[in-house]
Amino acid sequence: ETGVTQSPTHLIKTRGQQVTLRCSSQSGHNTVSWYQQALGQGPQFIFQYYREEENGRGNFPPRFSGLQFPNYSSELNVNALELDDSALYLCASSLKDRGDTGELFFGEGSRLTVL
Amino acid sequence: RKEVEQDPGPFNVPEGATVAFNCTYSNSASQSFFWYRQDCRKEPKLLMSVYSSGNEDGRFTAQLNRASQYISLLIRDSKLSDSATYLCVVPGQDRKLIWGLGTSLAVNP
Repeated sequence: ETGVTQSPTHLIKTRGQQVTLRCSSQSGHNTVSWYQQALGQGPQFIFQYYREEENGRGNFPPRFSGLQFPNYSSELNVNALELDDSALYLCASSLKDRGDTGELFFGEGSRLTVL
Repeated sequence: RKEVEQDPGPFNVPEGATVAFNCTYSNSASQSFFWYRQDCRKEPKLLMSVYSSGNEDGRFTAQLNRASQYISLLIRDSKLSDSATYLCVVPGQDRKLIWGLGTSLAVNP
């Protein structure tokens, strides 16, 4: 296993609600990336955190926000949920400088359903 | 051209067959390439990295063609357990990773 853990594994929310997803990175990894994967699609990059600072962002609106803590764990927050936010949210940790290598270690994901 | 493009398949092959997938990319400056495997409703896992002309690991061979800007993944002697989606990953112009939509492979008994 990768040593990356995510919680919760599954959750159901309604439109307009807010959600917080959590990720513990692999021991020693200082970079965390978050991805959204809709059914039948490849992962879409949301943002990346390196040493507690945002280090790049994909094409997601500001209602998608995040944090990285001193122990390198991370949170993804989504406000004002929309039906299209239903997806698998994947967290990936990495170690190399600024973490922009392709060698990512993924958690099992949090499957969000918005009704 | 899309940043990363893959044939979605599905590829249906019998056990023991050899199958190859291609992935085309638009960023000619990319130096590294990756193939990930994703089982149904699971997280992606790194299968192979390609930094030069190619890489081989057992039944799996990845090759890079810089002139035509594509990478390929060859699977020999397919096993039932190879059934999965294979995702091509390429660093984009801003060094962030661009993921293909994936190629679905079904190996049949």
